[in-house]
Amino acid sequence: ETGVTQTPRHLVMGMTNKKSLKCEQHLGHNAMYWYKQSAKKPLELMFVYSLEERVENNSVPSRFSPECPNSSHLFLHLHTLQPEDSALYLCASSQVGLAGGRSGELFFGEGSRLTVL
Amino acid sequence: GNSVTQMEGPVTLSEEAFLTINCTYTATGYPSLFWYVQYPGEGLQLLLKATKADDKGSNKGFEATYRKETTSFHLEKGSVQVSDSAVYFCALNTNAGKSTFGDGTTLTVKP
Repeated sequence: ETGVTQTPRHLVMGMTNKKSLKCEQHLGHNAMYWYKQSAKKPLELMFVYSLEERVENNSVPSRFSPECPNSSHLFLHLHTLQPEDSALYLCASSQVGLAGGRSGELFFGEGSRLTVL
Repeated sequence: GNSVTQMEGPVTLSEEAFLTINCTYTATGYPSLFWYVQYPGEGLQLLLKATKADDKGSNKGFEATYRKETTSFHLEKGSVQVSDSAVYFCALNTNAGKSTFGDGTTLTVKP
């Protein structure tokens, strides 16, 4: 069992739908991340939550809305997406700060493959 | 700002060939360095890491040495297998917790 679990693994949605991606980490980490991975493009950091506070939002369109209700769960709410938003969305977690490992290793889930029609 | 530059792919090798994927970085301070691997249909997973200069990370026959003087962290394996076919990402992380990734290098190993 992976330490970071993402659901659903595959999602197809129309441009007017509302859906959510879910991520859960079982590693006791204090930071969680959303990354977008598109074909032929670099890995793109979307959001960072540290100690349940959003600490980074890399100019992501408002049709993506993150939510972090506690340190173990992270959601990405999706609405009125565009076909160019089709991609693999990766969740990751890590331990930051002096309390844990300082190397900054990220633990990734297997991703949610999103297709927007 | 921080940046990571890695060898462009794709790289295609025959089984048992020697592999090198180059990675150089620019960073303020003293970053930790990583190689992540992504197998088809999966997320990224840590392959190896090094946290200070001259450290050597190793795993599954892969090695990389943290070279501060050349700001490099090249990935090597003496004899690749078909199962090593994947995308390899070089990355760094500073104490601020933010990771910076290279663009990824796709490796295909043919029998």
